[in-house]
Amino acid sequence: GENVEQHPSTLSVQEGDSAVIKCTYSDSASNYFPWYKQELGKRPQLIIDIRSNVGEKKDQRIAVTLNKTAKHFSLHITETQPEDSAVYFCAASNGFQKLVFGTGTRLLVSP
Amino acid sequence: GAGVSQSPSNKVTEKGKDVELRCDPISGHTALYWYRQSLGQGLEFLIYFQGNSAPDKSGLPSDRFSAERTGGSVSTLTIQRTQQEDSAVYLCASSSTKITGELFFGEGSRLTVL
Repeated sequence: GENVEQHPSTLSVQEGDSAVIKCTYSDSASNYFPWYKQELGKRPQLIIDIRSNVGEKKDQRIAVTLNKTAKHFSLHITETQPEDSAVYFCAASNGFQKLVFGTGTRLLVSP
Repeated sequence: GAGVSQSPSNKVTEKGKDVELRCDPISGHTALYWYRQSLGQGLEFLIYFQGNSAPDKSGLPSDRFSAERTGGSVSTLTIQRTQQEDSAVYLCASSSTKITGELFFGEGSRLTVL
């Protein structure tokens, strides 16, 4: 079955810096890669997703890139702000089966 | 409209007791997931229901765990003979599409086994 690895487990940046979180997946049939943000004490919420027919997707300060050959995808946050502090989870699915999550990255943005 | 609703929000039980956790998905959503999140940890997949298909139970950690989904709507996760390691937040999520798409999570049920 699918296995998703996520790095780093924690990431500390200064406000205004960029942050990059990387994930690798094992199932070459996976074609859907979402990213969820979970603020302290809150439920996870989708922030961006990408399907395997595109290599990059942007939404304001966040972007996701996908390399299907290498089976990895990354989340990029530019101009980080304190409110970006949260746990971020990547996930993968082949579209018809379960969504498997990575282990999470705790991002801390210091003012 | 109403989001995913879970109950109870908090449950404290004694080791060896059975517990039932309920999930009411968004109306019309065909897909329903249960995940477990231990303190400070990731989202561990438990079970996945999609329409009338047989559920994917591959994430259930032991035969003490079971789940059902009645009428394609409400789901109940049952944990029998609870153990202390079962203590976690149990999150339910639903999705409107047959092809994997955005999951809408409930607030979770926090289970504490003493």
